[in-house]
Parts: sequence; structure tokens; C-alpha cells
Amino acid sequence: TQLLEQSPQFLSIQEGENLTVYCNSSSVFSSLQWYRQEPGEGPVLLVTVVTGGEVKKLKRLTFQFGDARKDSSLHITAAQPGDTGLYLCTITTPLVFGKGTRLSVIA
Amino acid sequence: NAGVTQTPKFQVLKTGQSMTLQCAQDMNHEYMSWYRQDPGMGLRLIHYSVGAGITDQGEVPNGYNVSRSTTEDFPLRLLSAAPSQTSVYFCASSRAGANYGYTFGSGTRLTVV
Repeated sequence: TQLLEQSPQFLSIQEGENLTVYCNSSSVFSSLQWYRQEPGEGPVLLVTVVTGGEVKKLKRLTFQFGDARKDSSLHITAAQPGDTGLYLCTITTPLVFGKGTRLSVIA
Repeated sequence: NAGVTQTPKFQVLKTGQSMTLQCAQDMNHEYMSWYRQDPGMGLRLIHYSVGAGITDQGEVPNGYNVSRSTTEDFPLRLLSAAPSQTSVYFCASSRAGANYGYTFGSGTRLTVV
């Protein structure tokens, strides 16, 4: 079983700040997904990355897959309270999750 | 609305009781999975299925059974509930293939007393 390490575990920031969260593994993975989970709900898919070095943007969110396909990052620009939630990275088939980064954006 | 439907949303069981958590999807997805989510532990895979009639164990299968007689349904059975099974349970489904995203249900919050 591949182990996914996410950091930081908790992050509390002010509205308008930028932040980056990380997902790392000692193994190479063929693809990786990021999900966001809000309280009382199931996770919702944000993005899938499959190519080493790939960068994908989703509005203020930028996702990067490491060149060696062993790590990924999620950068949020000008965070808003609506970004609050648990951010999870996963490898697929079947889904194995990291423990997540719990983000709180304070207005 | 299309998606993954989980029932019940909340359940309280006594130790030793059995019950079935229901999961149904109407997207004709091949893959379905069950997870439990505990504080500080993240989401852990219990059982999964890659198609009707095919199931396999995940990371934490003990105390749980599954079956997949149809594409749409993937029930999770607790054989003899224990307090350690107190958790939030999520069902998810996906099209076959590593690059498709999973759709999650809204969860079942189970308390075993």
C-alpha cells in the first residue's frame, strides 16, 4: 500500500492570504486526485493529474504534479472563507487517501 | 439528481447488533467503494468492487461484509457491531479507469453503544 503524506495537517489563515499544501509519497504513482470535503458532506473531486510536471488551474487553485510523479502541491491564491474545508489527495483504483489538510480561512 | 445515495444518514446500534448500510448509484458506474472516516485517521478503505459480482478487501475489512449483485447497489453489512465501528461511513462510485473521479454519498453517521 502506497503511503501518502499530506502537510501541513492544519492551516488557519486570514482571507486574502496565499497558501500551499503538499502531498508526498515514497513511491511513484500513475495519477493523483485532489478532493475537498466540507463538514457533513462527502469529498468532492477538484482535479486529476496524470503527467509528471503537469500544472492545472481551477480558478484560484493551482495543482502541480511533481516531475518524478511522487509528489503534488495545491496552491490557493487570495483564499476566501468558502475555501474552508478538508483537502485530500488520493491515488486511484482503488482510492487510497492521505489524512488531509484541514484549512480554515478567517474573514 | 444523479449521484450516490446512502441510507440511513444516522444510526445508533447496540453492541452485537447487525445492520446494513445501503448505497445506490444511478450513473452506471463500474467501481464502488466503502470508506470509514475517523478523526485523525482520514478516509480508510473497507471494501471495494470493480463490477457486479466482484468484491475485494481494502485496508480495514474486519467486521464488515459486502456484496455486489447489481451495478447499482453496494450494501455494507456490519455483522456484530462493536464500539470501535463508531464512525462516519462513505460510499463512492466511479467509471472504470484510474483517471476518473469518484462521486461520494453524503455519509452515514454510525454510533455503537
